[in-house]
Amino acid sequence: SQKIEQNSEALNIQEGKTATLTCNYTNYSPAYLQWYRQDPGRGPVFLLLIRENEKEKRKERLKVTFDTTLKQSLFHITASQPADSATYLCALVANTGNQFYFGTGTSLTVIP
Amino acid sequence: DAGVIQSPRHEVTEMGQEVTLRCKPISGHNSLFWYRQTMMRGLELLIYFNNNVPIDDSGMPEDRFSAKMPNASFSTLKIQPSEPRDSAVYFCASSLPELANYGYTFGSGTRLTVV
Repeated sequence: SQKIEQNSEALNIQEGKTATLTCNYTNYSPAYLQWYRQDPGRGPVFLLLIRENEKEKRKERLKVTFDTTLKQSLFHITASQPADSATYLCALVANTGNQFYFGTGTSLTVIP
Repeated sequence: DAGVIQSPRHEVTEMGQEVTLRCKPISGHNSLFWYRQTMMRGLELLIYFNNNVPIDDSGMPEDRFSAKMPNASFSTLKIQPSEPRDSAVYFCASSLPELANYGYTFGSGTRLTVV
């Protein structure tokens, strides 16, 4: 069966450090992968997209990598701030469709 | 733009009652998606529409669930009869045709509690 897994444990890091979140998938051939941020009581908000033929994408303090051989995407937040505390979701679109399948998310807490 | 608008924000109902959730997508977005989120299962796609036409409803749990999109600016998700296991947050999302570049825009969700 198809599966998308993210860090199962909540991640706590010190302010100023780099947070690294993992998204692993099986039995997909994703055309592209996206990362979303979700705050409590709110819907997810789109952050970044990376395509299958791209290795890395950056946006301000965010960086995403995509390794189709390992079937893994890494999401980095550099110089983390307490305001970055949220749940982060990865979502991918298979080559066969146009709907997203989401991982269960990783809760990140940045400690001042 | 006000974004994707969902109503109600919270709904508490008794088992067996009919529940209707509403969604107004962003004007100009031609795709609309209904998701359900629980702690155990995360975000699950229930159904999506392209240009008001249902494309894939394979995620709808059972016949108690139905969704309609009578026009480009309105969609409903109905549960009849509701059961306690339907308790979850239901999200509506819409997107432009260039889904890859812009992703989804989600509403704030409807928290449904069936007692």
